[in-house]
Amino acid sequence: NAGVMQNPRHLVRRRGQEARLRCSPMKGHSHVYWYRQLPEEGLKFMVYLQKENIIDESGMPKERFSAEFPKEGPSILRIQQVVRGDSAAYFCASSPDIDGPKTEAFFGQGTRLTVV
Amino acid sequence: AQSVTQLDSQVPVFEEAPVELRCNYSSSVSVYLFWYVQYPNQGLQLLLKYLSGSTLVKGINGFEAEFNKSQTSFHLRKPSVHISDTAEYFCAVSWDTGRRALTFGSGTRLQVQP
Repeated sequence: NAGVMQNPRHLVRRRGQEARLRCSPMKGHSHVYWYRQLPEEGLKFMVYLQKENIIDESGMPKERFSAEFPKEGPSILRIQQVVRGDSAAYFCASSPDIDGPKTEAFFGQGTRLTVV
Repeated sequence: AQSVTQLDSQVPVFEEAPVELRCNYSSSVSVYLFWYVQYPNQGLQLLLKYLSGSTLVKGINGFEAEFNKSQTSFHLRKPSVHISDTAEYFCAVSWDTGRRALTFGSGTRLQVQP
């Protein structure tokens, strides 16, 4: 059973370009979470999705950021018109459809975005 | 607002010495508590979790943590650390409000010296 797969592992974008980060959850997991880790900081929650639905986007910046988790395929975090402050590690996690808040989240290895 | 506090940003310790990494959380409802470890340029790996029952929880790699409801703490301990334990450690909390997403502390960097 493969773990949470994120790609690319490293992504370099120029200011103003778009960044698309992909996350394939573990097999059988229908819940996906995105977190951002700025240098020397902890993980900040961004968005929580279930298949085809955004459940909680309270941590998403209001502009330029969007996320989706289609019925088929990976979850995508999109950042439009990137700025230097978007440089960070973006982690995806997934969990199964049981136990609610008690559920352990399994993390991918992250995508490290560098905006130049 | 619900929050998680890790007061120590860095903890240097000599090999084979004991260590305690502190975690406190705000509480108004039941909580579920987790410790994750992050090695350089890697994702997060679960060390242990407290859901209910015994307040002393044992995890992987010889780590354990104790849930203290009155002090709203969930400190991580290891009686004898190894060089390979050098990593970033994150405490995470989920509150029993139906919200599934974890809230993380700012992390503690454990530096084990020979």
